[in-house]
Amino acid sequence: DAGVTQSPTHLIKTRGQQVTLRCSPKSGHDTVSWYQQALGQGPQFIFQYYEEEERQRGNFPDRFSGHQFPNYSSELNVNALLLGDSALYLCASSLGGARYSNQPQHFGDGTRLSIL
Amino acid sequence: AQRVTQPEKLLSVFKGAPVELKCNYSYSGSPELFWYVQYSRQRLQLLLRHISRESIKGFTADLNKGETSFHLKKPFAQEEDSAMYYCALSGFGNEKLTFGTGTRLTIIP
Repeated sequence: DAGVTQSPTHLIKTRGQQVTLRCSPKSGHDTVSWYQQALGQGPQFIFQYYEEEERQRGNFPDRFSGHQFPNYSSELNVNALLLGDSALYLCASSLGGARYSNQPQHFGDGTRLSIL
Repeated sequence: AQRVTQPEKLLSVFKGAPVELKCNYSYSGSPELFWYVQYSRQRLQLLLRHISRESIKGFTADLNKGETSFHLKKPFAQEEDSAMYYCALSGFGNEKLTFGTGTRLTIIP
């Protein structure tokens, strides 16, 4: 089992562009969470998807949106990129549903996004 | 609001000496606390969670609700413990993880 996989590993964009990041969860997991990690900071929660719906959202603007597919994989989309969006974007998967509340999250290696 | 504070950005300890990484939290409900670790060139991984009450790689952490702390301890540091350590919190039934800013632990041979 490869665990959580993310693509691409690195990405360079310019201000105003749009970007899509992808995540495949660990086998058997059905919940995907996205985090943004700026340099020198801990990861910050963006949102979480379960059963193809956004279940929770952190303090991020609407420029950040996502999607979960029937196979549980997920995408993070960011529109109108700003310099401040430069960060490592982490995907984490877990087993969701009330029965499995607070199951440990397994993280991917992340996508490093640089905005010029 | 959820908040996690790790007061030390950097911590250096001699091999064989005790290690304590501090973590304080703020949360109005019933918190669940975690320690995540990131070794060099590896992904973030769970080290331990308070409800498991396990000792992983010799590390333990006790949840102190009175002091709102969840410090990570190990009696004898090993060189392979050098890594970045993050304390994280979630609420029961609320899987959003709130992380601290992390402590970089360096074990001096």
